[in-house]
Amino acid sequence: DVKVTQSSRYLVKRTGEKVFLECVQDMDHENMFWYRQDPGLGLRLIYFSYDVKMKEKGDIPEGYSVSREKKERFSLILESASTNQTSMYLCASVQSINGELFFGEGSRLTVL
Amino acid sequence: GENVEQHPSTLSVQEGDSAVIKCTYSDSASNYFPWYKQELGKGPQLIIDIRSNVGEKKDQRIAVTLNKTAKHFSLHITETQPEDSAVYFCAARTPGYSTLTFGKGTMLLVSP
Repeated sequence: DVKVTQSSRYLVKRTGEKVFLECVQDMDHENMFWYRQDPGLGLRLIYFSYDVKMKEKGDIPEGYSVSREKKERFSLILESASTNQTSMYLCASVQSINGELFFGEGSRLTVL
Repeated sequence: GENVEQHPSTLSVQEGDSAVIKCTYSDSASNYFPWYKQELGKGPQLIIDIRSNVGEKKDQRIAVTLNKTAKHFSLHITETQPEDSAVYFCAARTPGYSTLTFGKGTMLLVSP
C-alpha cells in the first residue's frame, strides 16, 4: 500500500516561530502537494512539486515556503507563524497527472 | 482556473436511505472527476472516480454520474450505513495539470 506519512499529527506553536511540517511518501511518486483544510473552505492548495528541487505555487502560497531535496520528502515551512495559519495541513502525492492522489493523515497546527 | 461548487454542505439521512451529493465545475476542458471520503481524524481517501469519456460508473453501493454538457457530476450512495458518515469531497482536474481543484466538502451523517 502507498503510504504518505506526516511526521507530526498535532503541533502547538507561538506566533513568530518557524514551523516545519514534514511529509514522506514511499511509492516513488513524482508529484507531491501541500493542502490546507479549513471548515467551510475545503481543501486549498498551498504548494506543489513535480520533481526534486522543483516547486510551484498553488492557490494560497502567501506565508509559506516548501523544500524538496529528496524525491520522497516534501516539507512545508512557515517562516513566521501567525494565528491565521492555525489549520489542518494535508500532504499528498501522485505518480502521474492521471493517477490517484494519496493523502497523509494530516497535521493539525495551532498557533497561539 | 477551474472552480468547483459542491452541494449540500451538510446532509443527514436515515440508515438505509440514499444520499446524493452534487458538484458543478467551470472549465469544460476538465476530464477527471474523483470523489474522496474523509473519516474523522484521517486524510481523504479516493472512493470512486470518473473520466469524461464515461457517463456513469458504479462500485457496489456508490455510483457517480457525469453530465458534460451541464458541467456537473454527482455521487450517489444507496442503502446508507452509519459507517458512511464522513466528509465527502468532489474534485476536478484539467488536462495538462497535475493538481486537483476540490469542492468545499459535504458532511454526511447517517443515523441508525
